[in-house]
Amino acid sequence: QVQLQQSGPGLVKPSETLSLTCTVSGDSISRYYWTWLRQPPGRDLEWIGYVYYTGSTNYNSSLKSRLTMSVDTSKSQFSLTLTSVTAADTAFYYCARVVFGGGGGNNWFDPWGQGTLVIVST
Amino acid sequence: DIQMTQSPSSLSASVGDRVTITCRASHSINNYLNWYQQKVGEAPKVLIYAASTLQTGVPSRFSGSGSGTDFTLTIASLEPEDFASYYCQQSFSTPYSFGQGTKLEI
Repeated sequence: QVQLQQSGPGLVKPSETLSLTCTVSGDSISRYYWTWLRQPPGRDLEWIGYVYYTGSTNYNSSLKSRLTMSVDTSKSQFSLTLTSVTAADTAFYYCARVVFGGGGGNNWFDPWGQGTLVIVST
Repeated sequence: DIQMTQSPSSLSASVGDRVTITCRASHSINNYLNWYQQKVGEAPKVLIYAASTLQTGVPSRFSGSGSGTDFTLTIASLEPEDFASYYCQQSFSTPYSFGQGTKLEI
């Protein structure tokens, strides 16, 4: 059973870089796509992007210029880096596995990490 | 980009009630529609994928239907643990997008 454990700072200063890591256990990180999502407190969920172990990525265009995702297969980890953060980036950040099935390119997110509240503030 | 619109945004119900939540996509998404449940302080969990397929371990009182642009999530008989927020999500095209959520309250 796949489990995801998130790590990273909960406080980042404006204009600095947000970095989070998700450690995968229970299955090979090379078998799946991996994704990041976020949810400002009390607001809607937003898909940030996904990454494959080969380095292939697909980012939400709204964040693309500030975003980097990568996979470290030796550590069974994938990571998110978001530069030049502002208060608008304050949110719960979640990592998740992308599962494909149900015919065609249908996919969904399961399981999810426990979530990390990242506050952008001085 | 595909916009997802859920209704209602909040819903008051009682244990044993049958409830239905609707989700509408701004463009046809075939059956590329997933439903998630989120309890306070927890990460979302998938309930239904591909519009109508129940995730393993999810109680059979949950069901999903629809195709194209209109979808529904139905809970046949509410249990106390079902009071949570529910989100639809389209996986037809990136950027993947979610509905604004439905908060199910006692």
